[in-house]
Amino acid sequence: DTEVTQTPKHLVMGMTNKKSLKCEQHMGHRAMYWYKQKAKKPPELMFVYSYEKLSINESVPSRFSPECPNSSLLNLHLHALQPEDSALYLCASSPPSRAYGYTFGSGTRLTVV
Amino acid sequence: DAKTTQPNSMESNEEEPVHLPCNHSTISGTDYIHWYRQLPSQGPEYVIHGLTSNVNNRMASLAIAEDRKSSTLILHRATLRDAAVYYCILSVPTDSWGKLQFGAGTQVVVTP
Repeated sequence: DTEVTQTPKHLVMGMTNKKSLKCEQHMGHRAMYWYKQKAKKPPELMFVYSYEKLSINESVPSRFSPECPNSSLLNLHLHALQPEDSALYLCASSPPSRAYGYTFGSGTRLTVV
Repeated sequence: DAKTTQPNSMESNEEEPVHLPCNHSTISGTDYIHWYRQLPSQGPEYVIHGLTSNVNNRMASLAIAEDRKSSTLILHRATLRDAAVYYCILSVPTDSWGKLQFGAGTQVVVTP
């Protein structure tokens, strides 16, 4: 299995809702990442997990809460989002070495209404 | 953090080679040079990466300048499926592995 699977593919949520994005990989990668991508812009790094521990938080607002329950799974919990948080949320994974590339999922298209 | 500079767009004819330049004049000695591409409504796809030496794989070739301040991604024979945004990225070291920070990218248009 050489894929990163993200669910759901599309999500519409209200500003008072709580929802979660899920990311799964079975490649044995011990680093996992969340990126946010607005339309016509490059992806922006949000969080990095290494060996299931949060190692980088790029000053992301607390309404985004990441979780890494095990080495194959990465969640992003969403609460009280704003319409400007509407974007494509991408998950990626990589082996624990910079000598390798990242594998990205196809993303979750989030719309906040 | 080290940044990259790429042209906004490039156009190529089908079955012709495409040379995509990237400047990274502030690169550090331990920064890897990565290339990814992104098709519409999809996640980025790994293309190739390298540190100092030129690299080849089934998708492309990466030519790295001797001073490492620039690099060129070479698609040997462009197809319509190669139309995408191509990102040149430096992998910045953090702990045991790198952090990819995307630049603006180059939109590649392939015409039949």
